[in-house]
Amino acid sequence: QSALTQPASVSGSPGQSITISCTGTSSDVGGYNYVSWYQQHPGKAPKLMIYEVSNRPSGVSNRFSGSKSGNTASLTISGLQAEDEADYYCSSYTSSSTLNVVFGGGTKLTVL
Amino acid sequence: QVQLQESGPGLVKPSQTLSLTCTVSGGSISSGSYYWSWIRQPAGKGLEWIGRIYTSGSTNYNPSLKSRVTISVDTSKNQFSLKLSSVTAADTAVYYCARDVVVAVAGPRRAFDIWGQGTMVTVSS
Repeated sequence: QSALTQPASVSGSPGQSITISCTGTSSDVGGYNYVSWYQQHPGKAPKLMIYEVSNRPSGVSNRFSGSKSGNTASLTISGLQAEDEADYYCSSYTSSSTLNVVFGGGTKLTVL
Repeated sequence: QVQLQESGPGLVKPSQTLSLTCTVSGGSISSGSYYWSWIRQPAGKGLEWIGRIYTSGSTNYNPSLKSRVTISVDTSKNQFSLKLSSVTAADTAVYYCARDVVVAVAGPRRAFDIWGQGTMVTVSS
């Protein structure tokens, strides 16, 4: 199974908005509303930020939002803050012979 | 609240079997509707899903690792385990255990909502 495609890096200034894309196929992103997004700071475990395309877990800032169109999901972070600088990964369920999970390659967000 | 903790050897010799355990605290591994997963991350690289075991004991594995992976659960110890055979240097990574919620009345579903802190495993002679 192939990894989902994410840009290697994105950047933005404090207060700005950025969007990270996650492109898959009709067998994963396009076929299920089970896309999730994770934030990972250096040396730390990933943290769930968005589940089922656009839902935020309790405690996650409403500056984080998710969406999907066709085979591409997106994570938008508005009002960028220095603490948002991290790696971001998307994930989706995928329909192989058994229902599996696939991750994106990750995107490094730099807050300028 | 539920917490996960990985444990196991930090160094494994090539061709041997990597064995890790994830201990679940703050809740029962057999209650609720969850997948218990293993995920790894080589240094400087992205996340790779290894496989999972359902509350019932059924398993799913990453096709690229399926021939070498076994995930099992010990409900009496509230633990689930990973065995990866015939390891090479390419298996050197931080290994995470994580919970994937299958069914929930509210809150995260079909996503890894709880992660262990991760454990570094190096494959080297």
